[in-house]
Amino acid sequence: AQSVAQPEDQVNVAEGNPLTVKCTYSVSGNPYLFWYVQYPNRGLQFLLKYITGDNLVKGSYGFEAEFNKSQTSFHLKKPSALVSDSALYFCAVRDYEDSNYQLIWGAGTKLIIKP
Amino acid sequence: DAGVIQSPRHEVTEMGQEVTLRCKPISGHDYLFWYRQTMMRGLELLIYFNNNVPIDDSGMPEDRFSAKMPNASFSTLKIQPSEPRDSAVYFCASSVSRGATGELFFGEGSRLTVL
Repeated sequence: AQSVAQPEDQVNVAEGNPLTVKCTYSVSGNPYLFWYVQYPNRGLQFLLKYITGDNLVKGSYGFEAEFNKSQTSFHLKKPSALVSDSALYFCAVRDYEDSNYQLIWGAGTKLIIKP
Repeated sequence: DAGVIQSPRHEVTEMGQEVTLRCKPISGHDYLFWYRQTMMRGLELLIYFNNNVPIDDSGMPEDRFSAKMPNASFSTLKIQPSEPRDSAVYFCASSVSRGATGELFFGEGSRLTVL
């Protein structure tokens, strides 16, 4: 069965430090992987995606993510955290072979950046 | 582009009343999704449309829920009769197909409270 795991409900980071939000996935075929961010009382916003090619993907607001096929992971990273990065982050996966176009969502990780 | 537009942003109603949520997708997008977000269940896909045709409504909780897309620029999600357990934030999202690689664009959501 297809699934996405975000093992941490919450991640706390000091401003200026690097941050990592973890995501692992399970699909039967090749994955398409996505990260979204949700600020309080707002809709989800697309950050970045991995479709094919370079395993390191760069996205909005200085975020990047690394696709690791052997570890079935797609961790979100940023070299230097900002207080304004505090939000809820969702990882999602779509199986290339799934004709139903279904996105499987993680439960979300709350990122708190402390000044 | 104005993005995905949802209305109302907030709705407070009493149990048993009919609720209609509205969505205008981004022009040119051929997929439209309705999601529900709660603390307990996270993000749940209710139904999605492709070219105005419902493709998968397996996520619709029960017969009290119905969704329509009469044309490419408008969709509704209706709950009749509403119950307190329907209280949630309902999101509409749209995307361009591009196979399975397209990212979703979300509206700001409709926060429903059923008393």
